[in-house]
Amino acid sequence: EADIYQTPRYLVIGTGKKITLECSQTMGHDKMYWYQQDPGMELHLIHYSYGVNSTEKGDLSSESTVSRIRTEHFPLTLESARPSHTSQYLCASSVTGAYTFGSGTRLTVV
Amino acid sequence: GESVGLHLPTLSVQEGDNSIINCAYSNSASDYFIWYKQESGKGPQFIIDIRSNMDKRQGQRVTVLLNKTVKHLSLQIAATQPGDSAVYFCAEHTGGFKTIFGAGTRLFVKA
Repeated sequence: EADIYQTPRYLVIGTGKKITLECSQTMGHDKMYWYQQDPGMELHLIHYSYGVNSTEKGDLSSESTVSRIRTEHFPLTLESARPSHTSQYLCASSVTGAYTFGSGTRLTVV
Repeated sequence: GESVGLHLPTLSVQEGDNSIINCAYSNSASDYFIWYKQESGKGPQFIIDIRSNMDKRQGQRVTVLLNKTVKHLSLQIAATQPGDSAVYFCAEHTGGFKTIFGAGTRLFVKA
């Protein structure tokens, strides 16, 4: 049973809409991450956090933002969704090394 | 630049046979390596890891081999089962937040 939860699992929205993808973990992990992944392809790091009030951009240029107000919560926000944002978004957390991943949010922007 | 790449994008094996999934890495400073399994519709799940001071580590039906001389990592699955069908990612960790994932190998298990 995963201890990291992502909602929604699937989302179809129109271009220009603002959306927030939710991620919560109950393991008390300090480090959290957001990855973007096209089906069967590699993972691209878009944001990460060391802990509360700490966020950094990852390797992949992204038009999204994140916040880390509580240890367990790491939401990802797209201010204005575009079709190019269509992808799967995976949240993960860790203490050191190995990650625990959520089941992902599959986003489609039409 | 740094990369973790897999030699084969797909691998098809007969049920009951052993599977070997390979991975090349380029950063000799990497000190920790992890294999993940990703089933359809799910996030990657940890399978097994190995630190750079080891050459081999065994788990339940899985073995990871690390060859630092040629910067090569492999995952061996014994007696492959239909439930092993998935995409397998290797990941390379160089400290801090520097974890690099490979592109993935899709394993098909034929009944």
